Amino acid sequence: SQTIHQWPATLVQPVGSPLSLECTVEGTSNPNLYWYRQAAGRGLQLLFYSVGIGQISSEVPQNLSASRPQDRQFILSSKKLLLSDSGFYLCAWMGNYNEQFFGPGTRLTVL
Amino acid sequence: AQRVTQPEKLLSVFKGAPVELKCNYSYSGSPELFWYVQYSRQRLQLLLRHISRESIKGFTADLNKGETSFHLKKPFAQEEDSAMYYCALSLHGGATNKLIFGTGTLLAVQP
Repeated sequence: SQTIHQWPATLVQPVGSPLSLECTVEGTSNPNLYWYRQAAGRGLQLLFYSVGIGQISSEVPQNLSASRPQDRQFILSSKKLLLSDSGFYLCAWMGNYNEQFFGPGTRLTVL
Repeated sequence: AQRVTQPEKLLSVFKGAPVELKCNYSYSGSPELFWYVQYSRQRLQLLLRHISRESIKGFTADLNKGETSFHLKKPFAQEEDSAMYYCALSLHGGATNKLIFGTGTLLAVQP
């Protein structure tokens, strides 16, 4: 069966430091992958999605970037974190019926 | 523009009372809609999809194209239904394959 992993689970970083959040999927090949930020009262904001290796679509201009170096790996990065980057980040993959399955998330706090 | 609206941030009901979580959408194409649920300290998970016309945990949702709505209903609420509920609209076509989420409704079922 398919599973999705994210790490780390929590992260505290100083302003201006770099960021790398990792997401991996098992049990499926060539999945569509997604990065979201979840904020209270604002729902889930789609940040990036990828339909294949090296293919990234950005949904909103921001301080973050994404990469897909391998079929089942999706990375969210930043060169210099801002306070406003704090939040809960979710990775997801798309199933056969356009539904999405979510990872456990990473809680990022930028101080 | 495509949009999903959940007008209630919080819905509080007593155990045994009927529940209706509202969701309206704006989409020029043929809509494909989902309800997701997030219980406390658990990951976001798919509750039901309109195309399946299924009942999950006693919840149902009917797509009303005339009113552009996809409200989630349950005749008798249980305390374990307390959670955050998100309505989502699928956008797909060409290279686009993504979900747009509403801002969510927190359902609190009182004993």
